[in-house]
Amino acid sequence: EPEVTQTPSHQVTQMGQEVILRCVPISNHLYFYWYRQILGQKVEFLVSFYNNEISEKSEIFDDQFSVERPDGSNFTLKIRSTKLEDSAMYFCASTRQGGNQPQHFGDGTRLSIL
Amino acid sequence: GENVEQHPSTLSVQEGDSAVIKCTYSDSASNYFPWYKQELGKRPQLIIDIRSNVGEKKDQRIAVTLNKTAKHFSLHITETQPEDSAVYFCAAGSGGSNYKLTFGKGTLLTVNP
Repeated sequence: EPEVTQTPSHQVTQMGQEVILRCVPISNHLYFYWYRQILGQKVEFLVSFYNNEISEKSEIFDDQFSVERPDGSNFTLKIRSTKLEDSAMYFCASTRQGGNQPQHFGDGTRLSIL
Repeated sequence: GENVEQHPSTLSVQEGDSAVIKCTYSDSASNYFPWYKQELGKRPQLIIDIRSNVGEKKDQRIAVTLNKTAKHFSLHITETQPEDSAVYFCAAGSGGSNYKLTFGKGTLLTVNP
């Protein structure tokens, strides 16, 4: 069964540095999502993306965050100037259609900000 | 925006017993309610979901019920096994084309052998 894949599995970065998290959605999917989970807490929505545009974003997704689909397969999340509180697991998901479709998560990237 | 409350935060049962986890949501526009199981250090894994036009759905030992009027939905696990031990998250989906999931805070289920 096709899966969402994410790289790297673990990223350690100095505070203030830029970081790019990568996701390869399932190949025929058109809707893409990023979520984060701070250790021991619930999963939180960050952003949804369709047709090369952000569809929806949460309050967490401020000006330091951006998303991009640079080619036909990758979907990236960039944090421009990382803060300590950005330390979390970041999960990518994709769906073929929009709306109430099952969202299957990738294995996530653990981001540690020092 | 949507708010999802989940109870209990921890649940301990004996192997073979049933487990029930309950969630409430606030946005009457929410129309999709998935449940995820997360083992330590792993991704949330979708185990069952229900859409708002259905009141109950079952998949082997797992069932989900939805009460739209009361805005609550529940996960039922029967004949629990030690491998069911994990954190379970409920979520509510809404937004039309700007779709997103809002998660509950999770329930740590421990099944004692």
